[in-house]
Amino acid sequence: GDSVTQMEGPVTLSEEAFLTINCTYTATGYPSLFWYVQYPGEGLQLLLKATKADDKGSNKGFEATYRKETTSFHLEKGSVQVSDSAVYFCALNMNAGNNRKLIWGLGTSLAVNP
Amino acid sequence: SAVISQKPSRDICQRGTSLTIQCQVDSQVTMMFWYRQQPGQSLTLIATANQGSEATYESGFVIDKFPISRPNLTFSTLTVSNMSPEDSSIYLCSVGSVTSGSYEQYFGPGTRLTVT
Repeated sequence: GDSVTQMEGPVTLSEEAFLTINCTYTATGYPSLFWYVQYPGEGLQLLLKATKADDKGSNKGFEATYRKETTSFHLEKGSVQVSDSAVYFCALNMNAGNNRKLIWGLGTSLAVNP
Repeated sequence: SAVISQKPSRDICQRGTSLTIQCQVDSQVTMMFWYRQQPGQSLTLIATANQGSEATYESGFVIDKFPISRPNLTFSTLTVSNMSPEDSSIYLCSVGSVTSGSYEQYFGPGTRLTVT
């Protein structure tokens, strides 16, 4: 079945370091891909998305490119801040009719130290 | 994007009792979802609650334990019935919408439930 695999955390970085959180997926069709962020004690926020191959989603300095050939959607940021400390979830949706369920990765915790 | 509120934000309940969680959306939405998130873990979908039809439950979740109401396009409730400590979790309401031809899903702030 469809699935999402994220790199395991926790990831610990110093401020201004480069961030990559790997996400790969398995899907029988052409999904939309999402990154969500959950700050401590809060609900989930949609960070960025991409709906087709080679699309790049970007928001708040974060980027992810939909790579169909490698079935990946890795999250990157050039210079992280302490305020980026959160749990990041990769997810996909198969865009199949009325099936709008999201398939979730397990989440990757990021801690950024000053 | 939709603005979603949930009540209560947290509660501590005794085993054997029931708690009803409310979800209010600031706009009309067709697709609504209820999730459970155990501490430090990913999300687990409990059910999809589309207006005008019965809720559709995921494997491992049943209506008797998690009855859902969806009386209109801006409101839903999830009841956690006959609670046990294993029900301690964060319960999240979510809505889906198609914006500019692409699908997005938005989440409420969650209800943190502790069962003693």
